[in-house]
Amino acid sequence: DQQVKQNSPSLSVQEGRISILNCDYTNSMFDYFLWYKKYPAEGPTFLISISSIKDKNEDGRFTVFLNKSAKHLSLHIVPSQPGDSAVYFCAASGSTLGRLYFGRGTQLTVWP
Amino acid sequence: DSGVTQTPKHLITATGQRVTLRCSPRSGDLSVYWYQQSLDQGLQFLIQYYNGEERAKGNILERFSAQQFPDLHSELNLSSLELGDSALYFCASSVEVVGPEQYFGPGTRLTVT
Repeated sequence: DQQVKQNSPSLSVQEGRISILNCDYTNSMFDYFLWYKKYPAEGPTFLISISSIKDKNEDGRFTVFLNKSAKHLSLHIVPSQPGDSAVYFCAASGSTLGRLYFGRGTQLTVWP
Repeated sequence: DSGVTQTPKHLITATGQRVTLRCSPRSGDLSVYWYQQSLDQGLQFLIQYYNGEERAKGNILERFSAQQFPDLHSELNLSSLELGDSALYFCASSVEVVGPEQYFGPGTRLTVT
């Protein structure tokens, strides 16, 4: 049972434009959400996170938005750069859960 | 570089064999997690150790076992290997028993032939 879902396996965006990656979750116990970026042959790299007490968190070009009522979060990358091309994983956790639940990832391609 | 190290990077072995994957967490991190990434399953949680004690179990097969040593490094043992065990195995670490941010190593790619 996939408790974290990324319904878009791929996204293609032109350099300089906005990239929006989406994620949905089903478990109400989740109260912390994270985005990881993964290049081929490397481990996932932590990018940005958000607690359920917030609805937005920003770090440079990356902003994560959380809509708890819809059980939906999104990652915005502005402006997108070719080096952002990677697989992006959404993950969720709970205050009593050590483990992360991952989505299946979205391959982002940023073209010049 | 996350500070989490994993060895070996690649491992090729035959069905029925046993292998050991090793992980050293970031300095100061007490929690170690193991995840499996196969082509059709995404990243699946296997097991967590915190300061030497098993903390949580996920979809870990009985043929697999793990431990965390006093120096906090961890080993994942996979036995009676099957073709379907071919996957990337990642180790992650965090400071607290409940992360939440976990930092991943580069992974071990296991190929069972």
